[in-house]
Amino acid sequence: TQLLEQSPQFLSIQEGENLTVYCNSSSVFSSLQWYRQEPGEGPVLLVTVVTGGEVKKLKRLTFQFGDARKDSSLHITAAQPGDTGLYLCAGGGNQFYFGTGTSLTVIP
Amino acid sequence: DAGVIQSPRHEVTEMGQEVTLRCKPISGHDYLFWYRQTMMRGLELLIYFNNNVPIDDSGMPEDRFSAKMPNASFSTLKIQPSEPRDSAVYFCASSFQIWSPLHFGNGTRLTVT
Repeated sequence: TQLLEQSPQFLSIQEGENLTVYCNSSSVFSSLQWYRQEPGEGPVLLVTVVTGGEVKKLKRLTFQFGDARKDSSLHITAAQPGDTGLYLCAGGGNQFYFGTGTSLTVIP
Repeated sequence: DAGVIQSPRHEVTEMGQEVTLRCKPISGHDYLFWYRQTMMRGLELLIYFNNNVPIDDSGMPEDRFSAKMPNASFSTLKIQPSEPRDSAVYFCASSFQIWSPLHFGNGTRLTVT
């Protein structure tokens, strides 16, 4: 059973476009993390959000934690080829449950 | 800091053979996790340790899988006997605390033919 559903599963966009990736659950999480994974490597942490309604910005990436701490979104402004990768959300409880992942391809 | 180190990077074996995957966590991290990643099931937690003690092994598929952590700097995941459905990328990760960011190794890609 997947506790965290991500959408879309695949996304292919042109360089310069904006995009939003969603992470949804019926469970409440004490914290939520976003990771990016590149081919042949392990996931690397991008950000942790802990407060309902929290918004964090990391250069062109904006992360939001839902008020009820059940969902989160990742918005990328002016996507670049270097943003290509698998984006994973992970919800914290007794352990971290990973989402299904969104595979992003940014075409130059 | 060299990060989490896993070996081997690639393993190809025949069905029925024993496979041992190895992991060296980041020094000072008290938690060590073993994950398996496949296209169909994504990233699944198999087992995690706290201070070398297994805490939750509910994700271990079956008795063919076993994991040990004899000391703070080394862990193994063993599959015996291996089956083709075990083919996946196996990741080891470590963290300072249970909800701290996870630091992943680069994984072991296992192919069982």
